[in-house]
Amino acid sequence: SQKIEQNSEALNIQEGKTATLTCNYTNYSPAYLQWYRQDPGRGPVFLLLIRENEKEKRKERLKVTFDTTLKQSLFHITASQPADSATYLCALHRSGSARQLTFGSGTQLTVLP
Amino acid sequence: NAGVMQNPRHLVRRRGQEARLRCSPVKGHSHVYWYRQLPEEGLKFMVYLQKENIIDESGMPKERFSAEFPKEGPSILRIQQVVRGDSAAYFCASSRSVLAGQKETQYFGPGTRLLVL
Repeated sequence: SQKIEQNSEALNIQEGKTATLTCNYTNYSPAYLQWYRQDPGRGPVFLLLIRENEKEKRKERLKVTFDTTLKQSLFHITASQPADSATYLCALHRSGSARQLTFGSGTQLTVLP
Repeated sequence: NAGVMQNPRHLVRRRGQEARLRCSPVKGHSHVYWYRQLPEEGLKFMVYLQKENIIDESGMPKERFSAEFPKEGPSILRIQQVVRGDSAAYFCASSRSVLAGQKETQYFGPGTRLLVL
């Protein structure tokens, strides 16, 4: 069956360090992968989209990689700040006509001051 | 530049009542998606609509749930005869029209939190 797994439910890191979150998938051939941030009581906020033919995407302190051989995406936040504390969701678009997103269960990141 | 609007933000219903959730997409977006987030679970796709058409309802429960996106006005997710298990956060997302085969970023609303007593 198709599965999306995010590395851990919770991740605590020290301010200033790089946070690395993992998204693994099985039995998918995604054309696109997206990362969202969700704060308590709020809707997901789009961060980055990476296509299957792209290895890496950057936006300010964020970096996403996409390895279709390993079936894995890594999401990095460099120089992390307490304001980065949130739940981070990875989401896949499958190939073909399907437009809906399939989400992982998320990783709750806490950046400690 | 308003984002996706959802109302109400919180909705309390007793078992057996109807719940109506509204979603106004980003101006210029013609694709709407509804997702459900159960407590301690991830977001699950329910239905995808374009103006006046349901394109994909593969994630929608077969009974009691319906959705529409009329030519004028917001998209509506309707839950009839609610049960306690319907308690969840319901999120709407929208995206703009793109060429066939392309995928477009979805922008989410703040959600409606439904509590069934």
